[in-house]
Amino acid sequence: AQKVTQAQTEISVVEKEDVTLDCVYETRDTTYYLFWYKQPPSGELVFLIRRNSFDEQNEISGRYSWNFQKSTSSFNFTITASQVVDSAVYFCALSEAGYSTLTFGKGTMLLVSP
Amino acid sequence: DAGVTQSPTHLIKTRGQQVTLRCSPKSGHDTVSWYQQALGQGPQFIFQYYEEEERQRGNFPDRFSGHQFPNYSSELNVNALLLGDSALYLCASSSLQRYEQYFGPGTRLTVT
Repeated sequence: AQKVTQAQTEISVVEKEDVTLDCVYETRDTTYYLFWYKQPPSGELVFLIRRNSFDEQNEISGRYSWNFQKSTSSFNFTITASQVVDSAVYFCALSEAGYSTLTFGKGTMLLVSP
Repeated sequence: DAGVTQSPTHLIKTRGQQVTLRCSPKSGHDTVSWYQQALGQGPQFIFQYYEEEERQRGNFPDRFSGHQFPNYSSELNVNALLLGDSALYLCASSSLQRYEQYFGPGTRLTVT
């Protein structure tokens, strides 16, 4: 069975601080996909990134970066120089190869204050 | 390019009633999945439709049923509503060949 754990329930930072959101996953599959989604107060889940299990290269997109480590089954998300607009709930998710259905973690609420 | 749309936005029902939620997928997508998100939790997978057939189902009772139409739009039906069915219901669309799912704004269902 698949499982995604986001141990941090809520994180509060001040604007311009860097923040890392942790994600640990469990799966028996050798091929799988990992995702991060952002859910602002409006409720709509916004896709941020997809990573497949064969690609451990770290990725950077603007102020966002992702660190995928198979050895520790982790897929962590870092926001550099956080902004108030980054305040949202962030979800890490996992899907098996051949199926696009997602198993989500419980989410981490990020509060960025000015 | 229209994204995923859902209707209605909000809905209030009484225990025992039935409800139908609707979803139109993003242009070019042929697969629709439904998720239930209780307050403070991550979304839970209900089922997925492809080519008008239920392709996968999560751990939800038969009171939850769905349908996909030839234009790929989808409905989620819930019968005999319980208080515990109160949640945000999210629809996501994708192409079967790709794994990114794009979500709609959700329908907030309140059962009283």
